[in-house]
Amino acid sequence: GENVEQHPSTLSVQEGDSAVIKCTYSDSASNYFPWYKQELGKRPQLIIDIRSNVGEKKDQRIAVTLNKTAKHFSLHITETQPEDSAVYFCAAGDFNQFYFGTGTSLTVIP
Amino acid sequence: DSGVTQTPKHLITATGQRVTLRCSPRSGDLSVYWYQQSLDQGLQFLIQYYNGEERAKGNILERFSAQQFPDLHSELNLSSLELGDSALYFCASSPTRGLSYEQYFGPGTRLTVT
Repeated sequence: GENVEQHPSTLSVQEGDSAVIKCTYSDSASNYFPWYKQELGKRPQLIIDIRSNVGEKKDQRIAVTLNKTAKHFSLHITETQPEDSAVYFCAAGDFNQFYFGTGTSLTVIP
Repeated sequence: DSGVTQTPKHLITATGQRVTLRCSPRSGDLSVYWYQQSLDQGLQFLIQYYNGEERAKGNILERFSAQQFPDLHSELNLSSLELGDSALYFCASSPTRGLSYEQYFGPGTRLTVT
């Protein structure tokens, strides 16, 4: 099955700075790459996703890039705010199933 | 509120026992997914059902089984429980039609095995 690696496991940034989380995947057949945010004690929620026919997607302060050749994709958060503090999970697969990375705990320091 | 409900919220049981976790998907969603989340692991995909049929299987142990009923609710059965099965179990549902692949997660069931 798919193997997704995610780095870093923890990340601290100053408010207003940018944060970047990187993921790699193993299965070249994967065509769907979502990112989920999980706040403490809450359920994961989709924040952005990208499909393999697109190289980059942006939604306000959040952007995701995908390099299918290298089998890696990244989440970029600009102008970070304290409410961005959470655990972020990348995933790779297809619409039937996708496999999550181990998560990145992001802390935004006011 | 995602529209996905899970019961119970918390479950404490002993090793060797059997439990059933229940999930009701969002209205109209045909797909149900089960995930296990433990402290040192991410979200581990267990199994997917689509309209009553098993669609995909992930890292699900043989001691675990699931099913989806005609009314589309799903149950995850965990048997011969071990201490290592203590985790948060999430159910998610998805419309699996149109342009959205988003999975909507329920609030989870926290299982503690003592």
